[in-house]
Amino acid sequence: AAGVIQSPRHLIKEKRETATLKCYPIPRHDTVYWYQQGPGQDPQFLISFYEKMQSDKGSIPDRFSAQQFSDYHSELNMSSLELGDSALYFCASSTHSEQYFGPGTRLTVT
Amino acid sequence: KNQVEQSPQSLIILEGKNCTLQCNYTVSPFSNLRWYKQDTGRGPVSLTIMTFSENTKSNGRYTATLDADTKQSSLHITASQLSDSASYICVVSSDSNYQLIWGAGTKLIIKP
Repeated sequence: AAGVIQSPRHLIKEKRETATLKCYPIPRHDTVYWYQQGPGQDPQFLISFYEKMQSDKGSIPDRFSAQQFSDYHSELNMSSLELGDSALYFCASSTHSEQYFGPGTRLTVT
Repeated sequence: KNQVEQSPQSLIILEGKNCTLQCNYTVSPFSNLRWYKQDTGRGPVSLTIMTFSENTKSNGRYTATLDADTKQSSLHITASQLSDSASYICVVSSDSNYQLIWGAGTKLIIKP
């Protein structure tokens, strides 16, 4: 069965650069969630989208923005990157109940 | 293919009762296995993390077991409380780069 796809899997950026992470949900899933997991920490909820509209907002910095497109894929845009943004970024998709996580994108800011 | 499968998909039990959630994985190589509790609309919170050599680990009323030979893990919840209602997710790490393979979770509902 198809799973949640995230790209790229690894990304290295310098401070003050921008980055765009992509998430492709499981077909027919209408909800996408973004999480940030720092080293040794639990994943922190950033933002979610339902039917292309923002449905909930967590601890997403103002430097970050996200959107869900007509094909239900989502992109997390990160600007003015800081060293502390280095983390694993997970996307998850769901329809009514279960939430399926993607493999994550490891962002390293140098 | 690396996969993590959880059962049951959902479970309803009465407050005070015990329950056991299952996790089977086909992840290789294996680094560690984690159980997370996730409340609706929030990020997952780590309950336990076990490496290859650990068979059991407890965190309060939560006890996780790991059988690395059969690639199975279980999460046992003792004397359930209403606040235990949540999704419980099994996550397996496959290598030192912390590639995480997530299960779909078990939705647990505790009824008074």
